Amino acid sequence: EAGVTQFPSHSVIEKGQTVTLRCDPISGHDNLYWYRRVMGKEIKFLLHFVKESKQDESGMPNNRFLAERTGGTYSTLKVQPAELEDSGVYFCASSQEVLGAAGTQYFGPGTRLLVL
Amino acid sequence: GNSVTQMEGPVTLSEEAFLTINCTYTATGYPSLFWYVQYPGEGLQLLLKATKADDKGSNKGFEATYRKETTSFHLEKGSVQVSDSAVYFCALPNYGGATNKLIFGTGTLLAVQP
Repeated sequence: EAGVTQFPSHSVIEKGQTVTLRCDPISGHDNLYWYRRVMGKEIKFLLHFVKESKQDESGMPNNRFLAERTGGTYSTLKVQPAELEDSGVYFCASSQEVLGAAGTQYFGPGTRLLVL
Repeated sequence: GNSVTQMEGPVTLSEEAFLTINCTYTATGYPSLFWYVQYPGEGLQLLLKATKADDKGSNKGFEATYRKETTSFHLEKGSVQVSDSAVYFCALPNYGGATNKLIFGTGTLLAVQP
């Protein structure tokens, strides 16, 4: 079974540019999460999709970030315009069910974003 | 909401040394507890988990016991190897509505020297 995949693995852009990150969850997983780790700090939640619906986007930093999951399959996270503080590692995770006693989120390899 | 406090690193050990990385949590109820690991150049992987009090999660020689009385989930390994060098994250879900987002600790960098 293929795991969670993310593209690109690395991205270097200049401040003010636009970047789009993509996440392909494990097939059949309705739940898709985006997280971010900035500057070696803790990994922080950004948002959660259930199928194509945004269930919780309380962690989105500001309106420069736009996440979509059309058709309930893969998801994109667009940063426009990018700022220096957006640099970090963006992780995507998926799960078959919302975390319960036995639920587990499976993470992708992350996209390392550097804004110069 | 739920929170987790994790031992700060970096932790530097010699090969075959004993490892403990402390993790304590604050939570409503008794959520599952997780340890994730990120090896150099790789993504985040689930290392082990425990789903209820007194459960012991184990994998690759690592163990952690869900201690309700001390609200802890310390990660241990009896004899570390160079290949264990990585960043370790303690995590728990923050139940809220229909979203059970994970709350992570700050991560502990482990460097094992030969």
